[in-house]
Amino acid sequence: NAGVTQTPKFRILKIGQSMTLQCTQDMNHNYMYWYRQDPGMGLKLIYYSVGAGITDKGEVPNGYNVSRSTTEDFPLRLELAAPSQTSVYFCASSLDSGGNSPLHFGNGTRLTVT
Amino acid sequence: RKEVEQDPGPFNVPEGATVAFNCTYSNSASQSFFWYRQDCRKEPKLLMSVYSSGNEDGRFTAQLNRASQYISLLIRDSKLSDSATYLCVPFSGSARQLTFGSGTQLTVLP
Repeated sequence: NAGVTQTPKFRILKIGQSMTLQCTQDMNHNYMYWYRQDPGMGLKLIYYSVGAGITDKGEVPNGYNVSRSTTEDFPLRLELAAPSQTSVYFCASSLDSGGNSPLHFGNGTRLTVT
Repeated sequence: RKEVEQDPGPFNVPEGATVAFNCTYSNSASQSFFWYRQDCRKEPKLLMSVYSSGNEDGRFTAQLNRASQYISLLIRDSKLSDSATYLCVPFSGSARQLTFGSGTQLTVLP
């Protein structure tokens, strides 16, 4: 009964480094999302996907890339890490568009860029 | 005006108290609304969905006022385990139009 699994849980990057945040879900959900949450702020949508092979930008996509080659996996790529990307990143999935079915979140990845 | 505005709190209430939070939203096209709770440093979890004028689930009641564009969450008989941040989330019709408020922090004191 894994749900949405994110790895790693914590990561420290130096400015300019790159990394991939992994996200996988085992609920056969069509929709997947990446959010970031800065301290005291709401979640901001980075990218989302409505199915395998389809991705689209959210509110704050700059500095990130995604792919959705399978229904289960939705990795988030940071190419040139910047201090402004220090945040908590949540991956989520839902059966439908989010208005008709709840979002299931992973445990989050806490990223620090120094 | 922000898309979603919530009083950040913190609301500190004794066990057994009744507490209410308001959330105002700017997009009049919002169709449905959600309250998520988020424990400290954890992921958000769905508490309640609102598709019409309101919803009730045990000690929790949500009421929607479309004319004034706000939604409230009422918690009766507060428990220590209710301590969390409550996120208001209007939905306006597509996957990218699920807007999270910054949350209201509640601490229930023994």
